[in-house]
Amino acid sequence: DSGVTQTPKHLITATGQRVTLRCSPRSGDLSVYWYQQSLDQGLQFLIQYYNGEERAKGNILERFSAQQFPDLHSELNLSSLELGDSALYFCASSPPGTLGEQFFGPGTRLTVL
Amino acid sequence: DAKTTQPNSMESNEEEPVHLPCNHSTISGTDYIHWYRQLPSQGPEYVIHGLTSNVNNRMASLAIAEDRKSSTLILHRATLRDAAVYYCIPGRSGAGSYQLTFGKGTKLSVIP
Repeated sequence: DSGVTQTPKHLITATGQRVTLRCSPRSGDLSVYWYQQSLDQGLQFLIQYYNGEERAKGNILERFSAQQFPDLHSELNLSSLELGDSALYFCASSPPGTLGEQFFGPGTRLTVL
Repeated sequence: DAKTTQPNSMESNEEEPVHLPCNHSTISGTDYIHWYRQLPSQGPEYVIHGLTSNVNNRMASLAIAEDRKSSTLILHRATLRDAAVYYCIPGRSGAGSYQLTFGKGTKLSVIP
């Protein structure tokens, strides 16, 4: 158990819909990262927040957005969902001052029908 | 980002040592080398990282070549629980950001 929690574990929805994935980082960790893992693209970095502010952006679609709240939990919003958005979405957190050691949550499996 | 080359798959017998190689010939002088692994149906798990000298922790050892163009992750006694995909990830930190760029990794199978 990494200490990072993600809800829900599974999500099934239809094309065109909007969903919100939630992540609670480990206690004391200020950074939250979101990754997408699909069969054809592998694990891809989407976005990072640090203490409430966006810090880095990766291959995140415009239909996707994220935020980090004052209590440091983060939400990833996916809208206008397409079949290709079906994937595992992982959240990771890291404490301040560390160099690349990230703690990953168990993931949310999104299925778009 | 530095490119990495890892074998697609490797096999090991249980309780034998395993050496997982990684080539990262374009690595910059300030890039750390990180290793993560992903067990089936789980999120990635940090294993070890290093910059220039060899590193040991409770999970594994990391041997880094003198020219830093390659590294080897060493599992001293493979167990069935070590069956996973292992990722070698060079990367740098900057202004509080540390993106991990995962490649395809090496799928390690452990034979009982």
